[in-house]
Amino acid sequence: DTGVSQNPRHKITKRGQNVTFRCDPISEHNRLYWYRQTLGQGPEFLTYFQNEAQLEKSRLLSDRFSAERPKGSFSTLEIQRTEQGDSAMYLCASSLAPGDNYGYTFGSGTRLTVV
Amino acid sequence: AQTVTQSQPEMSVQEAETVTLSCTYDTSESDYYLFWYKQPPSRQMILVIRQEAYKQQNATENRFSVNFQKAAKSFSLKISDSQLGDAAMYFCAYRFHQTGANNLFFGTGTRLTVIP
Repeated sequence: DTGVSQNPRHKITKRGQNVTFRCDPISEHNRLYWYRQTLGQGPEFLTYFQNEAQLEKSRLLSDRFSAERPKGSFSTLEIQRTEQGDSAMYLCASSLAPGDNYGYTFGSGTRLTVV
Repeated sequence: AQTVTQSQPEMSVQEAETVTLSCTYDTSESDYYLFWYKQPPSRQMILVIRQEAYKQQNATENRFSVNFQKAAKSFSLKISDSQLGDAAMYFCAYRFHQTGANNLFFGTGTRLTVIP
């Protein structure tokens, strides 16, 4: 297992288009998290899954955002009708409950640029 | 609400010297976890060190150690014998210790430069 994998690494899209990102967590990890990181800021929590269940969503996750983890393995994050304010790094992380008190394993992120 | 403050946007240190990065946080809880993460230019966040709030002993991981002052809500990171590979963004993070509360709250980061 090579860690948490995120694809694509970079995405440039026109305003109004839909985009989808994929995250493949560490295989035995049952928890998966999505964070957003804008320039000059620390990551901000978006949502979290335990297995296939989405258990928590931040107020940052507007109705244009949707995340899924259909089989409790990989996850997708879709942004509909993208806006320039959506430009950010989207980070995925995974952990194995209850050991996540030891911190998560992060992926390298997907950098989204909306033009 | 939990907030994490890193008041040093940038720091620099000479190779082989020691540097301390500051972090303060605000919480009304008594049981929580604190973390320092490193984000090199390749962007993957790496856990450097963690501290449980109920433990009085400061955590240490090789050249990295923390000074945890619970009453002052302070959690600084000391890097000894700095190496070129330590150059990165460093984020302080807080996690509430409660079932169902799983997200991390991050500070805005400190960019560390290591001077050869």
